Amino acid sequence: DTGVSQNPRHKITKRGQNVTFRCDPISEHNRLYWYRQTLGQGPEFLTYFQNEAQLEKSRLLSDRFSAERPKGSFSTLEIQRTEQGDSAMYLCASSLQGPPEAFFGQGTRLTVV
Amino acid sequence: QKEVEQDPGPLSVPEGAIVSLNCTYSNSAFQYFMWYRQYSRKGPELLMYTYSSGNKEDGRFTAQVDKSSKYISLFIRDSQPSDSATYLCAIPSGGGADGLTFGKGTHLIIQP
Repeated sequence: DTGVSQNPRHKITKRGQNVTFRCDPISEHNRLYWYRQTLGQGPEFLTYFQNEAQLEKSRLLSDRFSAERPKGSFSTLEIQRTEQGDSAMYLCASSLQGPPEAFFGQGTRLTVV
Repeated sequence: QKEVEQDPGPLSVPEGAIVSLNCTYSNSAFQYFMWYRQYSRKGPELLMYTYSSGNKEDGRFTAQVDKSSKYISLFIRDSQPSDSATYLCAIPSGGGADGLTFGKGTHLIIQP
């Protein structure tokens, strides 16, 4: 499978716990994006990496959220002290520098109970 | 006003009909526009993107941009039940940002 891979697909956690999601982009893609999608809404941009550099962060990305892409390949998104409002689908996308199209993974569905 | 507006539907049409899905956007500086299809509980799948004005055709799908009215459309010919999904339009976030701003998505139902 040469598409964007996200793990886990589903995560149920108790409020206050920390969670970490992983994204493996398409291998030759140097740009990586994280989005969040809630029911009935389109994806909302969270943050963007070009290679290992985190170049943009949305105001949606509170200080409980941190993302890394240590070697410019896979990325992790960590949420500390989860809240019920964090329940959403977390989507990762990757693209090649230049073309505008971004390819999405299947997402990680987070439920905070 | 949101940067991109899209009627959430649902839009229900019989199999074989021509479907028209639409979005309006607010910033006339945008140069490219994208359509994604999303099945329930799956990630969005890129259908097509267009630069500036005009049409782009790919099989049964045609994307159209009218920059003068800030209106983008996706037409589906000979619609199939497998086309039932949520269709999302997306525009570049602008202001030097590299992400995309999505509409809410239109939920499309093709009745067999």
